[in-house]
Amino acid sequence: GAVVSQHPSWVICKSGTSVKIECRSLDFQATTMFWYRQFPKQSLMLMATSNEGSKATYEQGVEKDKFLINHASLTLSTLTVTSAHPEDSSFYICSATSWTSGRTQETQYFGPGTRLLVL
Amino acid sequence: RKEVEQDPGPFNVPEGATVAFNCTYSNSASQSFFWYRQDCRKEPKLLMSVYSSGNEDGRFTAQLNRASQYISLLIRDSKLSDSATYLCVVNGDTGGFKTIFGAGTRLFVKA
Repeated sequence: GAVVSQHPSWVICKSGTSVKIECRSLDFQATTMFWYRQFPKQSLMLMATSNEGSKATYEQGVEKDKFLINHASLTLSTLTVTSAHPEDSSFYICSATSWTSGRTQETQYFGPGTRLLVL
Repeated sequence: RKEVEQDPGPFNVPEGATVAFNCTYSNSASQSFFWYRQDCRKEPKLLMSVYSSGNEDGRFTAQLNRASQYISLLIRDSKLSDSATYLCVVNGDTGGFKTIFGAGTRLFVKA
């Protein structure tokens, strides 16, 4: 299957700092990338949908000025958590989709996730 | 009502057992359906897509019932390695591509 990488895999930072997370599709060009957040024992919650070269679409309740998304190429999307606070501590996962010729369903390939701990 | 609902479990079954999970979705315009598996502290991994005609992959069988708006996953001959959280995923609505994850069903297979 397709490979998606995330960097860093974990990060600990002080409250008030900004953290950038990278998501890369390694062996395919992703038409769309998604950013999710997952709190312990809870489901993945979609934060935003990112299309290359255009502004991200944020889900209701997600602050676009706090979670900055840049999708500069078909293989790279970044999420920056600005002025992070302890309540932002979570597991952030990106995914990328790639249309496969002949398929009518779109499969998402997930990155390994980034664990953020804000002290 | 949640858009995608699953029984959180946990399901505790012995090795070799057959176990079934159900998932219901609220949006009748949903277009595609998947089961993902998520191990503790890891990212979700695609287990299988779900088609109206039903599909089987080894010990795993998935079914879709559009009329009743539910999908199911059947695991036969459970292995210890099947222990994980199984996520029901529903794609698409009238506004375009959107993915909704269920909260997951936890499965523990014991020796």
